[in-house]
Amino acid sequence: EAGVAQSPRYKIIEKRQSVAFWCNPISGHATLYWYQQILGQGPKLLIQFQNNGVVDDSQLPKDRFSAERLKGVDSTLKIQPAKLEDSAVYLCASSLGTPGQDNEKLFFGSGTQLSVL
Amino acid sequence: AQSVAQPEDQVNVAEGNPLTVKCTYSVSGNPYLFWYVQYPNRGLQFLLKYITGDNLVKGSYGFEAEFNKSQTSFHLKKPSALVSDSALYFCAVRDRAGKSTFGDGTTLTVKP
Repeated sequence: EAGVAQSPRYKIIEKRQSVAFWCNPISGHATLYWYQQILGQGPKLLIQFQNNGVVDDSQLPKDRFSAERLKGVDSTLKIQPAKLEDSAVYLCASSLGTPGQDNEKLFFGSGTQLSVL
Repeated sequence: AQSVAQPEDQVNVAEGNPLTVKCTYSVSGNPYLFWYVQYPNRGLQFLLKYITGDNLVKGSYGFEAEFNKSQTSFHLKKPSALVSDSALYFCAVRDRAGKSTFGDGTTLTVKP
């Protein structure tokens, strides 16, 4: 089966610019996640969607970050304006099951590496 | 709040020797525990999980993990390490709502 697709693979911007990332989950996966992975740290959840509804966005810096998942399929994550500390890898993941189900495991995309100069 | 600790940033073992990558967790209620592996320039890949049942769970590539409730640990193990096992390993705990918290990772290096 096709995996989680993310684009672009790399992005370099200057601070205060805006940037957008795109994710297409595995077909049929209802749950979609965006994670931020700063170098040397584990992934940190930014937002979780169940179909096109937001389940958890408690760690999303809403003053600059936004995300949407129209029609419950692909998703975009936007940063506006970017700060130096936003430099990280942005990972998209999807899962088939609903949280707590036995078939619950995450499938990750390759990520978008963002450098803010 | 749930948390995961991977106390070792780096683990070095010789090929053919057993390996252990340590993980301890903190979560309310019954834990759902996972191990993921990240190879260079690739996304995270699922290795194994503990939901319920036997404390020893088996996963991909010959890896296994032992759940210990009293010690709140979920250590990753393999009886005989391969050079190709060299990668970054992440332990994660998930709550009932589906929120996963990851550790900061352990770099495993297997030397020939």
